[in-house]
Amino acid sequence: GNSVTQMEGPVTLSEEAFLTINCTYTATGYPSLFWYVQYPGEGLQLLLKATKADDKGSNKGFEATYRKETTSFHLEKGSVQVSDSAVYFCALRLQGGSEKLVFGKGTKLTVNP
Amino acid sequence: DAGVIQSPRHEVTEMGQEVTLRCKPISGHNSLFWYRQTMMRGLELLIYFNNNVPIDDSGMPEDRFSAKMPNASFSTLKIQPSEPRDSAVYFCASSYGTGTYEQYFGPGTRLTVT
Repeated sequence: GNSVTQMEGPVTLSEEAFLTINCTYTATGYPSLFWYVQYPGEGLQLLLKATKADDKGSNKGFEATYRKETTSFHLEKGSVQVSDSAVYFCALRLQGGSEKLVFGKGTKLTVNP
Repeated sequence: DAGVIQSPRHEVTEMGQEVTLRCKPISGHNSLFWYRQTMMRGLELLIYFNNNVPIDDSGMPEDRFSAKMPNASFSTLKIQPSEPRDSAVYFCASSYGTGTYEQYFGPGTRLTVT
């Protein structure tokens, strides 16, 4: 079936450290891929997306590249800030017009000053 | 512009009681989604509507759960009777299907069933 696997958390980093959160997927066809972020006590917000192979999504210093050959969409940021502390969700949407998103379990990131 | 509005924000109820969660999507959006978030199962899609019509309800756990969207600006998720295992945060999200398909999430309703 269609699924998303994220690295287990929690992840704890110091400010200005490099961040990678791994995400791999299983899907039929060519899905669109997303990273959503959830700050404490809030709903999810779209962080970035990529709709086809080799696309790079970027926003707020975060980047992720759609790698079809490795079925991956790893999230990276060169220098994290305390304000980046949140839970990050990788998700896919199948091609074919369905609006259904399949989410990973989420990875909690804590950035210490 | 107002985002997705959910009410109540917190609900505590006893097992066996009926619970109704409410959602007002962003004006102009034509798709609405109900999700449930728990530590064990993560974020699960329960049901989604497009133009007020249920499109996919395969995630609805069982007959105790029902969802309606009587018009473009209002939806309810009802649990009757409620059970302790229904305790979770329930999110409503909406989107406008232009191809971007970004879903805008509400703040969630934290449900506790004792």
